[in-house]
Amino acid sequence: EPEVTQTPSHQVTQMGQEVILRCVPISNHLYFYWYRQILGQKVEFLVSFYNNEISEKSEIFDDQFSVERPDGSNFTLKIRSTKLEDSAMYFCASSLDRDYEQYFGPGTRLTVT
Amino acid sequence: DAKTTQPTSMDCAEGRAANLPCNHSTISGNEYVYWYRQIHSQGPQYIIHGLKNNETNEMASLIITEDRKSSTLILPHATLRDTAVYYCIVRVTQGGSEKLVFGKGMKLTVNP
Repeated sequence: EPEVTQTPSHQVTQMGQEVILRCVPISNHLYFYWYRQILGQKVEFLVSFYNNEISEKSEIFDDQFSVERPDGSNFTLKIRSTKLEDSAMYFCASSLDRDYEQYFGPGTRLTVT
Repeated sequence: DAKTTQPTSMDCAEGRAANLPCNHSTISGNEYVYWYRQIHSQGPQYIIHGLKNNETNEMASLIITEDRKSSTLILPHATLRDTAVYYCIVRVTQGGSEKLVFGKGMKLTVNP
């Protein structure tokens, strides 16, 4: 069964450093998403991406964040200058189309020290 | 999107049916009910969704009341691996927001 994959599973970085989280969505899916979950808190929407541009974003997704689909398979989330409060699980998801169910990857645990 | 209300937690014996309730009294006619679950800190897993008819798939059944103000997710034969946080989410499709809005969910513990 096709699934969303994410790398790395755990990323440790120092405050102020740039990080790139990578995702491979399900191959025939058209919509891609990033969510995050701070330890002990709710899963929060960050951004959705369609047709090589941001479709929707939340207030969390400020200028420090960017997304890209550099090739036909990868979908990345970049945080330019990490802060301590960026420490969280980051989940990538994809859906066949806009109104279809979203399938999530296993997540990347980002720890900012 | 309409808000949902779920119990904080629920216990179920292994092998028995687990009935997980959800209230969504302000649901609109074009809003679907989605169920996801999250096992430990893994990514949320899609379970099922429906508009007004009852739905069944290989994982679960979804029963939506006639007035659509509440629904029940049924796991017919709960196993220890079904222990997770279950999220009931109401979402507009066809022109609504693309995001899923997760609440705190309900912790289901399946006991041996």
